[in-house]
Amino acid sequence: NAGVTQTPKFRVLKTGQSMTLLCAQDMNHEYMYWYRQDPGMGLRLIHYSVGEGTTAKGEVPDGYNVSRLKKQNFLLGLESAAPSQTSVYFCASSRQGTLNTGELFFGEGSRLTVL
Amino acid sequence: GENVEQHPSTLSVQEGDSAVIKCTYSDSASNYFPWYKQELGKGPQLIIDIRSNVGEKKDQRIAVTLNKTAKHFSLHITETQPEDSAVYFCAASYNNDMRFGAGTRLTVKP
Repeated sequence: NAGVTQTPKFRVLKTGQSMTLLCAQDMNHEYMYWYRQDPGMGLRLIHYSVGEGTTAKGEVPDGYNVSRLKKQNFLLGLESAAPSQTSVYFCASSRQGTLNTGELFFGEGSRLTVL
Repeated sequence: GENVEQHPSTLSVQEGDSAVIKCTYSDSASNYFPWYKQELGKGPQLIIDIRSNVGEKKDQRIAVTLNKTAKHFSLHITETQPEDSAVYFCAASYNNDMRFGAGTRLTVKP
């Protein structure tokens, strides 16, 4: 049972390049989330999904897009990377939404550097 | 929107001592307050949580207290051990948008 798996774990991009981070969960969870973690700022929610085919904006959605075509996968895309998007990205999933006190299960993170 | 403030940002204690981390939140509608522990190179992991209808919750050496009137909650770790060294995050949940504090780096010295 792998839990939440993120790929890639490390990536270096040049400004203006695009990329996609993939998150996969094998716990049959309805809810999935993408967070970014920056020093001194904790975890900030980028986008989330309450089920297959749905997405919603979080606290810091600008510059990112997401898709949830399959229940087990949640993709985070950067269309034109900027240095301000240098961060560690965490995917998480939960059986219930955080409104209903759902525990978040996190992946191990993806470190992205934009030069 | 919700704003969660966490203090201190770093905390160093001797093994066996207690550690206390405090958080305040701004939105009185928040009703779920989890604490996550993040070890180096790993994703955060839930260690304890509390709901707004409860004032205190304990799980072995870990306890969380909640004061809804003052809008603050705290994590208490007793008899600290070196393996408690990690970054701890508090959070407040409102409407599927869980807001996290900035984190506290706890170091337990043997």
